Amino acid sequence: AAGVIQSPRHLIKEKRETATLKCYPIPRHDTVYWYQQGPGQDPQFLISFYEKMQSDKGSIPDRFSAQQFSDYHSELNMSSLELGDSALYFCASSLRLAGDQYFGAGTRLSVL
Amino acid sequence: AQSVTQPDIHITVSEGASLELRCNYSYGATPYLFWYVQSPGQGLQLLLKYFSGDTLVQGIKGFEAEFKRSQSSFNLRKPSVHWSDAAEYFCAVGVLGGGSYIPTFGRGTSLIVHP
Repeated sequence: AAGVIQSPRHLIKEKRETATLKCYPIPRHDTVYWYQQGPGQDPQFLISFYEKMQSDKGSIPDRFSAQQFSDYHSELNMSSLELGDSALYFCASSLRLAGDQYFGAGTRLSVL
Repeated sequence: AQSVTQPDIHITVSEGASLELRCNYSYGATPYLFWYVQSPGQGLQLLLKYFSGDTLVQGIKGFEAEFKRSQSSFNLRKPSVHWSDAAEYFCAVGVLGGGSYIPTFGRGTSLIVHP
């Protein structure tokens, strides 16, 4: 069965650079979520989209933005990167109200 | 605001032994509860969930969890642990946001399995 695809798997950036993470949800899933997981931490919800509209907003910094496109894939754009942005970034998808979120393998971002 | 407490940072068990991972939640309304497992370098996989109904919930990989409202707990159990169960386990309480359930995770419990 198709899973949530995230790219790239690894990304190395320098401070003040920008990064774009991509997420391709499971086919027919209409909701996409983004999470940030720091080393040894639990995942923190950043933002979600339903049918290309922002649905919920969590602890997403103002330097980050995200959108969902007509093909339902989503991108997380991160600008003015800081050392503290180094983390695993997960995307998950679900059917709205189903509760079952399916996670991708994540993008490991390292900011040097 | 909702919160989840997983009191045990690490749990070590022998292969074949039984397992119980503790989870306590704080939430003012009816909780929607989840257990996820995360293997190193991987995303989270949903083991089971509780929305309503039977308080004993069966999940994948032989796991089960019991919702106890009086104790605000949702402990995860497995009768016989396999070496492949070694992973990080996250309990979460889901809050209905703008149409979907947004989980608040606990800090996780790392399961170590000895042969």
